[in-house]
Amino acid sequence: EPEVTQTPSHQVTQMGQEVILRCVPISNHLYFYWYRQILGQKVEFLVSFYNNEISEKSEIFDDQFSVERPDGSNFTLKIRSTKLEDSAMYFCASNIAGGDYEQYFGPGTRLTVT
Amino acid sequence: DQQVKQNSPSLSVQEGRISILNCDYTNSMFDYFLWYKKYPAEGPTFLISISSIKDKNEDGRFTVFLNKSAKHLSLHIVPSQPGDSAVYFCAASTGGGADGLTFGKGTHLIIQP
Repeated sequence: EPEVTQTPSHQVTQMGQEVILRCVPISNHLYFYWYRQILGQKVEFLVSFYNNEISEKSEIFDDQFSVERPDGSNFTLKIRSTKLEDSAMYFCASNIAGGDYEQYFGPGTRLTVT
Repeated sequence: DQQVKQNSPSLSVQEGRISILNCDYTNSMFDYFLWYKKYPAEGPTFLISISSIKDKNEDGRFTVFLNKSAKHLSLHIVPSQPGDSAVYFCAASTGGGADGLTFGKGTHLIIQP
């Protein structure tokens, strides 16, 4: 069964460094998403991406974040200058057609900023 | 600003009995609702969804009920099995385009033998 994959599973970085989190969505899906979950809190939407551009973004997704689909399979989230409060699980998701279609999530990347 | 609320942080149910997980929402623009199951160190796994034009959707042991006037939905699992022990998240969207999901805080379901 097709699934969303994410790498790395765990990333440790120092405050102020740039990190890139990688995702491979399900191959025939057209809509891509990033979410995060800070320890003990709920899953929060960051950004959605369709047709090679950002569709929607939340207040959390400020100028330090960017997303890219560099090729036909990868979808990346870049955090330019990490802060301690960026420590969280980051989940990538995809769905076939947006709207009323379920989103399928990857296993997540645990980002630890020290 | 909790647009999606799951007021029970945990729920304990005996194996074989019915598990009922509840979810309330405040945003009347939500028109598509989903339930996800999550194990530790894994991503959320889609379980079942319902559109606002329906009041019930069933898939095997899982049934979701939607009461739009009360802005309430529930997930019924019957019969409950040990493998159902996990955190269950209610999520909602306005159903437009690439809308992000709004999640509740989750309910930790524990199935007791």
